[in-house]
Amino acid sequence: AQSVTQLDSQVPVFEEAPVELRCNYSSSVSVYLFWYVQYPNQGLQLLLKYLSGSTLVESINGFEAEFNKSQTSFHLRKPSVHISDTAEYFCAVSEIRAGNMLTFGGGTRLMVKP
Amino acid sequence: EAGVAQSPRYKIIEKRQSVAFWCNPISGHATLYWYQQILGQGPKLLIQFQNNGVVDDSQLPKDRFSAERLKGVDSTLKIQPAKLEDSAVYLCASSFNRGRVGYTFGSGTRLTVV
Repeated sequence: AQSVTQLDSQVPVFEEAPVELRCNYSSSVSVYLFWYVQYPNQGLQLLLKYLSGSTLVESINGFEAEFNKSQTSFHLRKPSVHISDTAEYFCAVSEIRAGNMLTFGGGTRLMVKP
Repeated sequence: EAGVAQSPRYKIIEKRQSVAFWCNPISGHATLYWYQQILGQGPKLLIQFQNNGVVDDSQLPKDRFSAERLKGVDSTLKIQPAKLEDSAVYLCASSFNRGRVGYTFGSGTRLTVV
């Protein structure tokens, strides 16, 4: 069975500073990787995903994540955050051919301060 | 396209009472999931349907939780009797089929058991 570890439960950062949210996973088989974002009182929204190909994937709002197979990591980064990025971020994995079922990490609360 | 609809948005009940949640997936989506998200944790899969059949319910506490998707469209999740530890957000998600990677979440139902 797979598992996901998000090492930081909270990450405070000042506006326009860079940020990295860490995610490590374990699985005995190949996986797909995802980052979801959850704004207060809202459902989960897909931010970006890695399925195959280039190990660096980007979202439309400036986030990027890099799949590192040797380190079993999928860290999320943004070079300059905005107040509106304040949210909970969840890393998730899905084992290929496992029927599309997601296993989530515990989440990281990103708090952007002015 | 319309998103995944869930109702009610909020529910407060006393322990030992029963409660039901409703989910209407995106039109044409054959696969439907129910997740439980306890405060401060990542979502955990409870049950997965493919059309009106159960694919995986291994993490569903079957002594008190039940779910159905009789016509392969809408789904209901029921808890009877509720316990304090059932307080959580219940998220419904759907995807076109099991092989389609990534899916769409509804806004969830926040259950408080007092």
